[in-house]
Amino acid sequence: NAGVTQTPKFQVLKTGQSMTLQCAQDMNHEYMSWYRQDPGMGLRLIHYSVGAGITDQGEVPNGYNVSRSTTEDFPLRLLSAAPSQTSVYFCASSLTTGASYNEQFFGPGTRLTVL
Amino acid sequence: GEDVEQSLFLSVREGDSSVINCTYTDSSSTYLYWYKQEPGAGLQLLTYIFSNMDMKQDQRLTVLLNKKDKHLSLRIADTQTGDSAIYFCAGAPGGYNKLIFGAGTRLAVHP
Repeated sequence: NAGVTQTPKFQVLKTGQSMTLQCAQDMNHEYMSWYRQDPGMGLRLIHYSVGAGITDQGEVPNGYNVSRSTTEDFPLRLLSAAPSQTSVYFCASSLTTGASYNEQFFGPGTRLTVL
Repeated sequence: GEDVEQSLFLSVREGDSSVINCTYTDSSSTYLYWYKQEPGAGLQLLTYIFSNMDMKQDQRLTVLLNKKDKHLSLRIADTQTGDSAIYFCAGAPGGYNKLIFGAGTRLAVHP
């Protein structure tokens, strides 16, 4: 298993540009999520999905869109990039909620810079 | 909402024990977690503790949970250079998968 994969690893955008960060997992996990990591702060939840066709907002959703058309993929879209979105983005997946403890598996991250 | 706080930096000598501390405000998390992040990598689950436990031991790792003081700690025995990383504590008061992270403690291990 490849686990959780993310592309690209690095990206530089200009203010106002749009782009999609890709995330895929091959563990048949129902739950997928996106976090951002900023210096001196913990990871903050952007959006999450409990299964194909179902998404919801996390702690910091503004400026980001998500969709979940398949179990495997959970792309994150920046519609109009802003310098405040400069961050490292992590995708994570796990088995479904509602059960007991479930380990979340994280991808290697995408480092995004918005000029 | 939940607030999770950690000290930002810890330096220890190789072979000594490391203790990383964490405080949290929302006691409704069923589980509390410790994640490790090595340079340039994603997070990896190190260990976790069920909220009705006081202590959990896993090889060199000992987790202590003081529910009254809302304090969580991670002790690493016989710390090695390979333990140098950032350690995050996290809770999930909003549900098992919606993690709230502390800012992370950078552990530096020197000879």
